[in-house]
Amino acid sequence: DVKVTQSSRYLVKRTGEKVFLECVQDMDHENMFWYRQDPGLGLRLIYFSYDVKMKEKGDIPEGYSVSREKKERFSLILESASTNQTSMYLCASSSVDREIQPQHFGDGTRLSIL
Amino acid sequence: GDSVTQMEGPVTLSEEAFLTINCTYTATGYPSLFWYVQYPGEGLQLLLKATKADDKGSNKGFEATYRKETTSFHLEKGSVQVSDSAVYFCALRNTGTASKLTFGTGTRLQVTL
Repeated sequence: DVKVTQSSRYLVKRTGEKVFLECVQDMDHENMFWYRQDPGLGLRLIYFSYDVKMKEKGDIPEGYSVSREKKERFSLILESASTNQTSMYLCASSSVDREIQPQHFGDGTRLSIL
Repeated sequence: GDSVTQMEGPVTLSEEAFLTINCTYTATGYPSLFWYVQYPGEGLQLLLKATKADDKGSNKGFEATYRKETTSFHLEKGSVQVSDSAVYFCALRNTGTASKLTFGTGTRLQVTL
């Protein structure tokens, strides 16, 4: 079974702090994704990566950056946390195959910015 | 751009009732369609998928048929259980989008005894 592990289930940080959210997958997947989930808005893509050191902006990249130094690890960085970044953050991974492959999700990190 | 529209919840049903959650989409090309489920306190899990028109995806008693003529992918189950209480997300992946998914806003299902 694919396992996507997010480093924290709950996190509380202060405004202005630099925040790191970590995600690790164990299935050698090429693609990795960061979403935020907010009530009434569903999931919105922040950034994704299709290879080591490669990244592309999603729909809402402002205020975030990412890092992918190793294939299994994809980090989301809040450069200077703000209260409007309080949300549930979900990491996902998928393989690149000829057949359509689903994304596999971690359990999420609920981040509160005070 | 691509978009997915789901019926607003919450949907409240009694156990053994019939479930329909509506999903329609807007996309160019030939997208693949998915239903994901999120149980309380967990991430999303793939429930079923369909990759071309008239395909039917099914899993755990849930079904959805890819209807290109109505751009729909409605989720159905004949007899729901309390354990089906969760949030359900419809999603599409379009061709040439590097595996990116576009999600609907989610529909919360509450099943009571």
